[in-house]
Amino acid sequence: AQSVTQLGSHVSVSEGALVLLRCNYSSSVPPYLFWYVQYPNQGLQLLLKYTTGATLVKGINGFEAEFKKSETSFHLTKPSAHMSDAAEYFCAVSSQGGYQKVTFGTGTKLQVIP
Amino acid sequence: GAVVSQHPSWVICKSGTSVKIECRSLDFQATTMFWYRQFPKQSLMLMATSNEGSKATYEQGVEKDKFLINHASLTLSTLTVTSAHPEDSSFYICSARGGGGSSYEQYFGPGTRLTVT
Repeated sequence: AQSVTQLGSHVSVSEGALVLLRCNYSSSVPPYLFWYVQYPNQGLQLLLKYTTGATLVKGINGFEAEFKKSETSFHLTKPSAHMSDAAEYFCAVSSQGGYQKVTFGTGTKLQVIP
Repeated sequence: GAVVSQHPSWVICKSGTSVKIECRSLDFQATTMFWYRQFPKQSLMLMATSNEGSKATYEQGVEKDKFLINHASLTLSTLTVTSAHPEDSSFYICSARGGGGSSYEQYFGPGTRLTVT
């Protein structure tokens, strides 16, 4: 069984400020972890993913996330927010190998204030 | 990168009619395709998983006779919403897996917004 919890359905930051979106997961087996971004009326775009190896993962658009097994977390960060970062962000988990069903969190809507 | 398309991007239909949504992998062969449903301001809920040439596996609570899924080829899966009702109005998103050397990664389509009147 696996699950994802995203803390904060809405996050507001000022343009240029640090972006921190929180994600905690639960998985009975070693997980694969993902962050996706969704713009209104569009599908999902992969920002970054963790599979194995280096726990600090860098993605597109300046985002990065760190896999912390001891904390079962995979928080998404970006040093400086841009207006174009305003969107919905989803954290997701799947199990390594096998069926690999992906479970999504409930999403965090990021608002960037000019 | 791997590209997945959906057609149509939006559709309006009358209650009681059926609607077919297509999901295509454009530049890779998708051994597995997934269908999700997303209600406004909510997350994606997996409806079913389909493997090419075999019957789809539906998630608990999803009516397989209402949401017909066909994965006839390695590049095409279809979702047919039969006898649609207003409560079926939603954003339907497909994803495909099997391309680009990353067997675990899903590539998402742009979604189809269904409105049933």
